[in-house]
Amino acid sequence: GEDVEQSLFLSVREGDSSVINCTYTDSSSTYLYWYKQEPGAGLQLLTYIFSNMDMKQDQRLTVLLNKKDKHLSLRIADTQTGDSAIYFCAERHSSASKIIFGSGTRLSIRP
Amino acid sequence: DTEVTQTPKHLVMGMTNKKSLKCEQHMGHRAMYWYKQKAKKPPELMFVYSYEKLSINESVPSRFSPECPNSSLLNLHLHALQPEDSALYLCASSQGEGTETQYFGPGTRLLVL
Repeated sequence: GEDVEQSLFLSVREGDSSVINCTYTDSSSTYLYWYKQEPGAGLQLLTYIFSNMDMKQDQRLTVLLNKKDKHLSLRIADTQTGDSAIYFCAERHSSASKIIFGSGTRLSIRP
Repeated sequence: DTEVTQTPKHLVMGMTNKKSLKCEQHMGHRAMYWYKQKAKKPPELMFVYSYEKLSINESVPSRFSPECPNSSLLNLHLHALQPEDSALYLCASSQGEGTETQYFGPGTRLLVL
């Protein structure tokens, strides 16, 4: 079946790196996403990675994929107060419309 | 321009009211989606339109009626809703159904009294 799991909360000191982890169960997932949702707002696509990639870097964001363990992580370098949000991991098959979301990780930043 | 717009931003309605949510994109995307998000939960897919035709209905109750008048617009007509239908309703679009990136709008926060 399809299932995406994330821890619910993460607290990080400003300036440190944040690492948000995600596991998924469907080995045929082709696209893996990270979305950011600020309070009262819609979802902002942060980045995505194809299942044939191990890593993708985009400015402060680094996505690591371990396909064997079905583990995805998002690292945010130099975490800022503006990074406070809920981060959703999601997966999708190559020909499917439906995105399967994790429950979201609430990232809080402490001074 | 990767913007999906939604109106209204907030909506309060009674259980006997009829209202509509609107979504618009001008990215030339041919697939559009409605999602429902309850508080502290991830979004759940409701409907998918592909080339202005309903492609997927995730067993949504008939009190929710989607409509795609053209390739840029997607509506969600609401009638006889229940208080448990209160949620954030998100619209999204992508180049085609099954293409990699869905772009989301800011959502309409709906309260049913």
